Amino acid sequence: AQTVTQSQPEMSVQEAETVTLSCTYDTSENNYYLFWYKQPPSRQMILVIRQEAYKQQNATENRFSVNFQKAAKSFSLKISDSQLGDTAMYFCAEREKETSGSRLTFGEGTQLTVNP
Amino acid sequence: DTGVSQNPRHKITKRGQNVTFRCDPISEHNRLYWYRQTLGQGPEFLTYFQNEAQLEKSRLLSDRFSAERPKGSFSTLEIQRTEQGDSAMYLCASSNTQRGGAGNEQFFGPGTRLTVL
Repeated sequence: AQTVTQSQPEMSVQEAETVTLSCTYDTSENNYYLFWYKQPPSRQMILVIRQEAYKQQNATENRFSVNFQKAAKSFSLKISDSQLGDTAMYFCAEREKETSGSRLTFGEGTQLTVNP
Repeated sequence: DTGVSQNPRHKITKRGQNVTFRCDPISEHNRLYWYRQTLGQGPEFLTYFQNEAQLEKSRLLSDRFSAERPKGSFSTLEIQRTEQGDSAMYLCASSNTQRGGAGNEQFFGPGTRLTVL
């Protein structure tokens, strides 16, 4: 069974600085997808960025980028130029390509606080 | 496209009562998922539907839980004889598998927070 681990329960960063959130995962599949989701306080979960395992190039979405190390099964999220609105719970998630109904397996989450 | 909606947003009930939650997915999304999220944890998969067919259920879904998706549109999740351990946020998500690959993104609703007293 796949597992996702986020070892940082809480992180904080000053506004405009850069922060990196860590995630490791375990899967027996060769084809899978990795995601970072953001869950602001009392608001719904939204997708931040996704990575397809067969693509070697790291995904980038504006201020958000990932460092995908397939051999190490590591998938970290870097947030550049942090903004107050980035304060949220961040979840790393894995989805196997077409098995398991495409269910998402989530990590425990990292609470990120951006300080002014 | 109004997004995934869930009702009610909050539900407080007494132990032993039955509760039912509703999820309205994004129109034309053929897959619908239910997850449970306890405080301070990531969501855990409960079950999913492809159109009206319930294709998979997690072992977390005890006999007291039942989900339906009549006509492949909205879905309901019912919990019978609620227990305090059922207190959690129940999240619904939908996706369109016809887009394939990573385009099969799951869009989440705001959740229903259940408190069992």
